[in-house]
This record gives sequence, structure tokens and C-alpha cells, in this order.
Amino acid sequence: ILNVEQSPQSLHVQEGDSTNFTCSFPSSNFYALHWYRWETAKSPEALFVMTLNGDEKKKGRISATLNTKEGYSYLYIKGSQPEDSATYLCAFRSYNTDKLIFGTGTRLQVFP
Amino acid sequence: GAGVSQSPRYKVAKRGQDVALRCDPISGHVSLFWYQQALGQGPEFLTYFQNEAQLDKSGLPSDRFFAERPEGSVSTLKIQRTQQEDSAVYLCASMANTGGPDEQYFGPGTRLTVT
Repeated sequence: ILNVEQSPQSLHVQEGDSTNFTCSFPSSNFYALHWYRWETAKSPEALFVMTLNGDEKKKGRISATLNTKEGYSYLYIKGSQPEDSATYLCAFRSYNTDKLIFGTGTRLQVFP
Repeated sequence: GAGVSQSPRYKVAKRGQDVALRCDPISGHVSLFWYQQALGQGPEFLTYFQNEAQLDKSGLPSDRFFAERPEGSVSTLKIQRTQQEDSAVYLCASMANTGGPDEQYFGPGTRLTVT
């Protein structure tokens, strides 16, 4: 059974704080690692698709790193804003399938 | 352009009723996926289509769940004789399927509550 784990489950930070969370996934048969942001009552929004070991991607104040050999990815948010409040999901895709295996998410709340 | 849309957004069903959930994917997207998200969990794979062919239905929890995509665009997920454990958010996603690590684009989900 393929297992994707995210930590922490939830996080409360003050506006302006930087934060990071972790996604761990199987290190075998790796094809891609996806990060999504999901705000309540909206569609999950794709942030990054990462494929190469050592890859680092950035979108505004959000960045992510990938280690496929040890099976983990970090998502960083620099200078958190209240509009960053959402659930952040990672999802693993292996070579032999198109389906995604999701973690349970990290719920981030940023207080003004 | 238009994203993935789902209807209805909310559905309340009495136990034992049949429900049908609709997904309109992004135009031209070859692959379509259904996921179920129970409270406190991440989305879990149910089934997926490439055009009209259902390639994987290994995630469907029981034979009460049935999905179709007869013309390779719109898809319907049908749940017969709903049970309380079917209460969840049902997410649909579509993907262009270019042969690389494509994004899956999600709809807003249908929140099903079975009473």
C-alpha cells in the first residue's frame, strides 16, 4: 500500500511569519510529486509538479524542494499572509499509473 | 478559459436514495478522474477514464458506485442506495495527457450528505 504523509496536520502562524511543511512519499517507482492549495468552497489549485531529484520550484512567496531518493518534499511560504490560509495537499504519482495518491493535508491559518 | 465544473455543488440524500454527480472537464482533456474526500482525510482515488474508456475502477468502494463517460467528455458518478458512509466531497479532475507529468485540474467538488 502506497502511503503519503504530511506534517504537521495544522499550523497557526502570525502574518509575516515564514513557515514550512513536509510531505513524505514512497521513494520507489517515483514519477511526480504534486502540490495543491485548497481553499474552502473552491477548487484545489495546482501549485507545482515536481519530477527531478533536487528540483526546487518557486511561485511568488511559495517554494518547494524535492528529494526523491529519501522520499520527501518541503513546501515553504515566506512572509505568510491571511490569504495564504488554506489546506496544502501533496500527491504522489508512480510510473505505472496516472492516478494521484494524496496525503491528508496541512491546514494553515494565518492570523493578521 | 473555463475550468472543471461539477454539479450539484451540494447534495443531501436520504439513506437508500440514488444520486448522480456530474463533471464537465476542461474541453479537450483526454483523462478524467474521480476522487472521494471523507472528513479529515485526503482525496482518495475512485476511478479514471481515458476518453470514454474506464481504465481503472479499483478505488470504487462497492458495486453501488458506478461511473460513466459515454462520449469522452462529461462524466457522471452514480451512487445507488446511498449509505451514511458515502457522505464525502466528490472531486473530479481532468488532465490533458500529453505523455508527460501533466497537471490534474480539479473542480470545486460535490459535497454529499447522506441522512
